Amino acid sequence: GENVEQHPSTLSVQEGDSAVIKCTYSDSASNYFPWYKQELGKGPQLIIDIRSNVGEKKDQRIAVTLNKTAKHFSLHITETQPEDSAVYFCAASTGSARQLTFGSGTQLTVLP
Amino acid sequence: NAGVTQTPKFRVLKTGQSMTLLCAQDMNHEYMYWYRQDPGMGLRLIHYSVGEGTTAKGEVPDGYNVSRLKKQNFLLGLESAAPSQTSVYFCASLTEGRPYEQYFGPGTRLTVT
Repeated sequence: GENVEQHPSTLSVQEGDSAVIKCTYSDSASNYFPWYKQELGKGPQLIIDIRSNVGEKKDQRIAVTLNKTAKHFSLHITETQPEDSAVYFCAASTGSARQLTFGSGTQLTVLP
Repeated sequence: NAGVTQTPKFRVLKTGQSMTLLCAQDMNHEYMYWYRQDPGMGLRLIHYSVGEGTTAKGEVPDGYNVSRLKKQNFLLGLESAAPSQTSVYFCASLTEGRPYEQYFGPGTRLTVT
């Protein structure tokens, strides 16, 4: 089955700096790669996603890049703000039921 | 639209007791999923359903059963709870409009003593 590895597990940045989180996946059949943000005590919420036929996608301060050959994808957050502090999960989707396999999460802390 | 709701929010069980977690969605989604979240391990898929009356095993199905008698509801059952089932449980459903985005509920925190 699919295996998704995520690094780093914790990340602290100064407000205004950029943050980068990286993930690798194992199943070349995976075709959809979402990123979720989870705030304390809440369920994960989708912030950006990318399909396997696209190399990069951007939404305001958030961007995701995908390298299918190397089987890795990354989340980039620019001009970080304190409200960006949360746990971020990457995931890969495979299978006819669109099941998600998640990475282990990154605790991002933005220091004011 | 309430989205995805989960009942209860918190529960404490003794080893060997049984319980059912309820997930409800009002978005007419076909696909529904149950995940568990443990510290440092992300979310792992327990069971899922691709439509009313269907269920299938995910990555960690042992000790759990599920039922999808109505399209809007997906039930997760623990017949004989064990301390290893202490976790936060999340339900999710899949939108028809954007066929890959899963919407998550707020979670149920279960402790088995």
